[in-house]
Amino acid sequence: KAGVTQTPRYLIKTRGQQVTLSCSPISGHRSVSWYQQTPGQGLQFLFEYFSETQRNKGNFPGRFSGRQFSNSRSEMNVSTLELGDSALYLCASRGRGGRETQYFGPGTRLLVL
Amino acid sequence: QQPVQSPQAVILREGEDAVINCSSSKALYSVHWYRQKHGEAPVFLMILLKGGEQKGHEKISASFNEKKQQSSLYLTASQLSYSGTYFCGTGMGDDKIIFGKGTRLHILP
Repeated sequence: KAGVTQTPRYLIKTRGQQVTLSCSPISGHRSVSWYQQTPGQGLQFLFEYFSETQRNKGNFPGRFSGRQFSNSRSEMNVSTLELGDSALYLCASRGRGGRETQYFGPGTRLLVL
Repeated sequence: QQPVQSPQAVILREGEDAVINCSSSKALYSVHWYRQKHGEAPVFLMILLKGGEQKGHEKISASFNEKKQQSSLYLTASQLSYSGTYFCGTGMGDDKIIFGKGTRLHILP
């Protein structure tokens, strides 16, 4: 089985721009979660989607949004980028949630100048 | 609520043992352990579930104290390949996993 894939792997943007990141989960997985990773802060939970619905949301401003498509692929969007948004963005997938193992993709490294 | 991991960092010599702890202020449904090497994605090590079920790698052991809302990861006879940052993630039954800030482990030859 192919693992979780994320595109693009690297991005450079400037303040004020917006960005869209994509995540393709493992085949058959319907739950997709997004995390922001910055030095010293660990993995900060952004949101989780299941069957095209946002099921959980972390404590991030409304500039961070996401969606999930019928094939379980997910995108996250960050509008009006700030320097502090520079981070590694990881998505993770699992079957349905709950008692299942979550598998991470390689991440998208975003640099905001 | 982000779980608290301790220690924040540890340095070991190859062959020594280590314990990484994870504690939560809320009742836990599941605990998830991952290891991340520099520049790579976190890799699944073990999941511990309320009720006692565990799934993970054979060479990794962990405990889950539901009453104390704590989990510990035990690394015995450490190898150079064990170096990395270890994250614990906690689930409270609402399908989201919240991770701690990580424990950096460095193994010296």
